[in-house]
Amino acid sequence: EAQVTQNPRYLITVTGKKLTVTCSQNMNHEYMSWYRQDPGLGLRQIYYSMNVEVTDKGDVPEGYKVSRKEKRNFPLILESPSPNQTSLYFCASSRLARDTQYFGPGTRLTVL
Amino acid sequence: KQEVTQIPAALSVPEGENLVLNCSFTDSAIYNLQWFRQDPGKGLTSLLLIQSSQREQTSGRLNASLDKSSGRSTLYIAASQPGDSATYLCAVKTGANNLFFGTGTRLTVIP
Repeated sequence: EAQVTQNPRYLITVTGKKLTVTCSQNMNHEYMSWYRQDPGLGLRQIYYSMNVEVTDKGDVPEGYKVSRKEKRNFPLILESPSPNQTSLYFCASSRLARDTQYFGPGTRLTVL
Repeated sequence: KQEVTQIPAALSVPEGENLVLNCSFTDSAIYNLQWFRQDPGKGLTSLLLIQSSQREQTSGRLNASLDKSSGRSTLYIAASQPGDSATYLCAVKTGANNLFFGTGTRLTVIP
């Protein structure tokens, strides 16, 4: 089954404790991206990747890092999480940047 | 910067009714526009993708139109069903990589 998977689905952590949210797709897509969704603000793009080793900032990259060492994986790294990063995070992928995006199920992160 | 607006924020209709959801955007220089469905606790499901050169797309009971010059798109849902209850999001792609989302319309179809 073609899908985008994210882990963990739920995470509660404390300020300053490094964490990684994994994202994997099995569709051989070149384009992957991360979004956060907050009430009243909608989804906002954090980072995106056009292909392996090619990443760039979206609208709200501060406090986040990404890497794309393999085509299928695009982890999101929070080196020192803060409470304002409490949010619902989505990973998405598409064959090319302009194609339909397929979204993962989301990761609900709470930073205390 | 592109701004995407969806009105109304919430909508309740009786089952069987035809309905229209609206999306407007400020910058008409877009590559495409997508409509998504989001169910509680789940990710987004793509419903329709309209390229900038197209005027509309149809899938089953859904029809989406795009008027780039006026910065508007509509999603028409025919013969609504309780299973259509969800939040509907529109998103516009400007530039090669930026996807801008509206805040959504929460639809409730009453049996």
